[in-house]
Amino acid sequence: DTGVSQNPRHKITKRGQNVTFRCDPISEHNRLYWYRQTLGQGPEFLTYFQNEAQLEKSRLLSDRFSAERPKGSFSTLEIQRTEQGDSAMYLCASSSNRGTGNTGELFFGEGSRLTVL
Amino acid sequence: AQSVTQPDIHITVSEGASLELRCNYSYGATPYLFWYVQSPGQGLQLLLKYFSGDTLVQGIKGFEAEFKRSQSSFNLRKPSVHWSDAAEYFCAVGGRSSASKIIFGSGTRLSIRP
Repeated sequence: DTGVSQNPRHKITKRGQNVTFRCDPISEHNRLYWYRQTLGQGPEFLTYFQNEAQLEKSRLLSDRFSAERPKGSFSTLEIQRTEQGDSAMYLCASSSNRGTGNTGELFFGEGSRLTVL
Repeated sequence: AQSVTQPDIHITVSEGASLELRCNYSYGATPYLFWYVQSPGQGLQLLLKYFSGDTLVQGIKGFEAEFKRSQSSFNLRKPSVHWSDAAEYFCAVGGRSSASKIIFGSGTRLSIRP
């Protein structure tokens, strides 16, 4: 399978605990995005990377959220001191903006669902 | 700043009827535009995209969309919907610079009436 892979698929945690999600993008893709989606809403941009560089982080994002992509391949999203409002589906997507005519459309993983009790 | 508006939260159409889902964007230059579909419990799948050239683009599953620069719109259409088209549809906009990100609208939920 050469698609975008996310782990774990489901995570239930207690308020105040830390959680970490992992995303393995399509291997030749240089861009990696994290989005958050709640029921009935569109994917909300969190952050994105080009290779190992984090290009932008949403200003709406709390300092409790951090993401890394240390070698320009897989990425992790950590949420510290989780709150009930963090419950959502966390989506990872990868893309490539190399080459002429490449629009960089996103290829999504199936998401990691977080439930904070 | 770029933004996307999908004014219709929920639309119901009869099977076999035509469909148009609206999308308006805000971006300082000509953007890349996308439509994605999300079926219940499924991941997001690209339906079609616009990046240049012909403003009427064809996608998968019989969908098409038209880029209208003057109206800042990229509406999605299908001549005859099928029950399997029931899903959530998201419009997205991206920029052409190397530092541009892709952002999504809030989505339109499509229900099909038998």
